[in-house]
Amino acid sequence: AQKITQTQPGMFVQEKEAVTLDCTYDTSDQSYGLFWYKQPSSGEMIFLIYQGSYDEQNATEGRYSLNFQKARKSANLVISASQLGDSAMYFCAMRELLSGSARQLTFGSGTQLTVLP
Amino acid sequence: SQTIHQWPATLVQPVGSPLSLECTVEGTSNPNLYWYRQAAGRGLQLLFYSIGIDQISSEVPQNLSASRPQDRQFILSSKKLLLSDSGFYLCAWSDANRVQETQYFGPGTRLLVL
Repeated sequence: AQKITQTQPGMFVQEKEAVTLDCTYDTSDQSYGLFWYKQPSSGEMIFLIYQGSYDEQNATEGRYSLNFQKARKSANLVISASQLGDSAMYFCAMRELLSGSARQLTFGSGTQLTVLP
Repeated sequence: SQTIHQWPATLVQPVGSPLSLECTVEGTSNPNLYWYRQAAGRGLQLLFYSIGIDQISSEVPQNLSASRPQDRQFILSSKKLLLSDSGFYLCAWSDANRVQETQYFGPGTRLLVL
């Protein structure tokens, strides 16, 4: 079974500062994928960034980067130069193989990020 | 580009009434499709997934069912709603041919059962 742990229910960051959202995972699979999603108050889940278990370099997408430490089983999201629009719930998720080609995403409990002006 | 639609956006239904939520995907063929439910302030729980027409798998026992009558259409149904069915329902799709296979979500349906 897989498990995703996000230990920060809420985080505050000053506008223009960087912030790190923590995520640890537990799996016995050798091949897996880690995702971060953003959920604003509207409810839509927005894909931010992906890290494969065999990727040697940390993933980056614009202001988002993923600090992947495989030995520690952590996949922290770093948001640089925070903006007011970054205020949202952030979910870490792990891809788990179901049957055939389908994959399940197991989600953490989320971190509510508030960017202060 | 691919887009995913869900409707209705919001629904208020009495206990015991039927339910039908619809999800459609445009711009791709033979996607994997998923139904998730999110309780207030919680993460997402996978309800159903489908790798093809009329191929539905359920992840949790419940009062709900799913159908996929067309390649890019996924329907979530119930014959009699329970109070515990209230929540935020999200449909997602993924491309099985991609190694990364990111799941992309629709805008969701907020269901309140009274």
